[in-house]
Amino acid sequence: DAKTTQPPSMDCAEGRAANLPCNHSTISGNEYVYWYRQIHSQGPQYIIHGLKNNETNEMASLIITEDRKSSTLILPHATLRDTAVYYCIVRVGPLSTGTASKLTFGTGTRLQVTL
Amino acid sequence: DSGVTQTPKHLITATGQRVTLRCSPRSGDLSVYWYQQSLDQGLQFLIHYYNGEERAKGNILERFSAQQFPDLHSELNLSSLELGDSALYFCASSVRSHRTSGSGTDTQYFGPGTRLTVL
Repeated sequence: DAKTTQPPSMDCAEGRAANLPCNHSTISGNEYVYWYRQIHSQGPQYIIHGLKNNETNEMASLIITEDRKSSTLILPHATLRDTAVYYCIVRVGPLSTGTASKLTFGTGTRLQVTL
Repeated sequence: DSGVTQTPKHLITATGQRVTLRCSPRSGDLSVYWYQQSLDQGLQFLIHYYNGEERAKGNILERFSAQQFPDLHSELNLSSLELGDSALYFCASSVRSHRTSGSGTDTQYFGPGTRLTVL
């Protein structure tokens, strides 16, 4: 799986958009970009994933550059509850049922949302 | 709430002992993954089971073993415990049916974890 690079920490004011960048310059054509977050010592929480198109769900938006070498997770209106470590993970899709690969977590970005 | 449950929440034991951690996947999910999170190593993949069969191993110690039962719950057994085994242990589940999800991926959903303290 491709390696990812994220800034170690970021701050965001409550109510503003939080834009978390991720570089994955060695990504392959069959690798997806996943985002998870971990609030304190809770289990990692799935946020969103994408292959090459931009994606949006109720939690966030994922913008993937055309060359797929980087992406940005956008939390449109950050709240204090969004304070967490955010992990960007690149992972090959499953070749067949039950063969999906592990998630390789890096050190992530620690997002601090402040009043 | 991810739908994945883990018991116990906390476990305190002594060096040399053996413990069993339990994971119940989301209803219908066939895959279970185990991860370890320690302060100095971050989140590390241990092992993956799919429908009762071992599918992949990560940096899992020989003192550790796992299995997945016919009802799809999984147990992670840790034996001859050492101080360095103190960590958070998470399981994740994925794959609701015999086909991959429509997006062609296999999203993992994590449980709340078991905090193991070895004294």
